[in-house]
Amino acid sequence: AQTVTQSQPEMSVQEAETVTLSCTYDTSENNYYLFWYKQPPSRQMILVIRQEAYKQQNATENRFSVNFQKAAKSFSLKISDSQLGDTAMYFCAFMKHLGGSEKLVFGKGTKLTVNP
Amino acid sequence: KAGVTQTPRYLIKTRGQQVTLSCSPISGHRSVSWYQQTPGQGLQFLFEYFSETQRNKGNFPGRFSGRQFSNSRSEMNVSTLELGDSALYLCASSRLQQRGTEAFFGQGTRLTVV
Repeated sequence: AQTVTQSQPEMSVQEAETVTLSCTYDTSENNYYLFWYKQPPSRQMILVIRQEAYKQQNATENRFSVNFQKAAKSFSLKISDSQLGDTAMYFCAFMKHLGGSEKLVFGKGTKLTVNP
Repeated sequence: KAGVTQTPRYLIKTRGQQVTLSCSPISGHRSVSWYQQTPGQGLQFLFEYFSETQRNKGNFPGRFSGRQFSNSRSEMNVSTLELGDSALYLCASSRLQQRGTEAFFGQGTRLTVV
């Protein structure tokens, strides 16, 4: 079964600094997709970044980038120049394919606090 | 373009009652998935609908059911509510034109069972 593990329940960082959130996963699939979602206090899950497993290049989106290590099944998120608005729960997710459909398998999340 | 809309935002129900939650996907999105979020279990997949057909179901009891209408709007129903059903219920929609398509989430319905 696919599992996603986020080993850091809570983290904090000073504004303008860099922080890395860890995620490991387990799968027997070769081609798959990984995501980082952000859930602020407003509760709405927002996609931060997406990685396709067959692409060796790490995905980047402005201040957000990933370190994708396929062999190690590791998918960490780096947030550069942290801003107060980055304070949120961050969920790592694996997209599992079920016949013709897909579902997201989420980790337990990391609560990130950005301090002024 | 309007996002995923879930109604109601908050709901308080008594044990034994039933409840219906609604989700309107983004226009053009034909896939709707439901997730349950609790502090203990995290985010768990409930079911996914595409073109009015349930394609997959998570490991939840039969008290949890859903449906999708021809306009892609979806409802989920929980019968004989239990205290443990208290959770944030999230709906997500996607186009599903290709694998790995992004899922867009609504703000959720916070259900409290007393």
